[in-house]
Amino acid sequence: DSGVTQTPKHLITATGQRVTLRCSPRSGDLSVYWYQQSLDQGLQFLIQYYNGEERAKGNILERFSAQQFPDLHSELNLSSLELGDSALYFCASSVDPGTTEAFFGQGTRLTVV
Amino acid sequence: ILNVEQSPQSLHVQEGDSTNFTCSFPSSNFYALHWYRWETAKSPEALFVMTLNGDEKKKGRISATLNTKEGYSYLYIKGSQPEDSATYLCASPRGYNKLIFGAGTRLAVHP
Repeated sequence: DSGVTQTPKHLITATGQRVTLRCSPRSGDLSVYWYQQSLDQGLQFLIQYYNGEERAKGNILERFSAQQFPDLHSELNLSSLELGDSALYFCASSVDPGTTEAFFGQGTRLTVV
Repeated sequence: ILNVEQSPQSLHVQEGDSTNFTCSFPSSNFYALHWYRWETAKSPEALFVMTLNGDEKKKGRISATLNTKEGYSYLYIKGSQPEDSATYLCASPRGYNKLIFGAGTRLAVHP
């Protein structure tokens, strides 16, 4: 158990809908990362927060947004969903952005039908 | 080099073989180099985080080296076992925050 909790584990939704993925980081970790893993692809960096502030953005679509709350949990919002958004979404947390190891949650499997 | 690149893409070895793979990363503005092990149906788990040129880290039969001047790191597995079968990822923070992963090396160890 990495200490990072992601909910839900699985999500099936229709095209055009909006979903929210939730991540609770390890106790004490201030940095939260979101990644997308599509079929046969690697981990694509989406966005990173540190102590409530957005620190870095990757190739995140405009239809996607995220935030980190004062209690340090984070949510990734995906809207106007398309079939191609079906993927495994991972959240990871670390004490220090970059120079300490990241701990990954179990992921949320999103299926858009 | 602009991105984190790993080679080979996949590797098949026999039990007991020793093996190694490479991670190449941009050498400018270097902060750290991470190695992760990712087993099927699980989440990536950290093996090493290295920050200094010439760093060598070891965990059991797995070890890693780092050359920040030329922008590469090697991961070695001595005496591979079937339970070592996994995808091995390396990652490097870009701009200190953006932890960018390579595509990984998929290792299969056959009994």
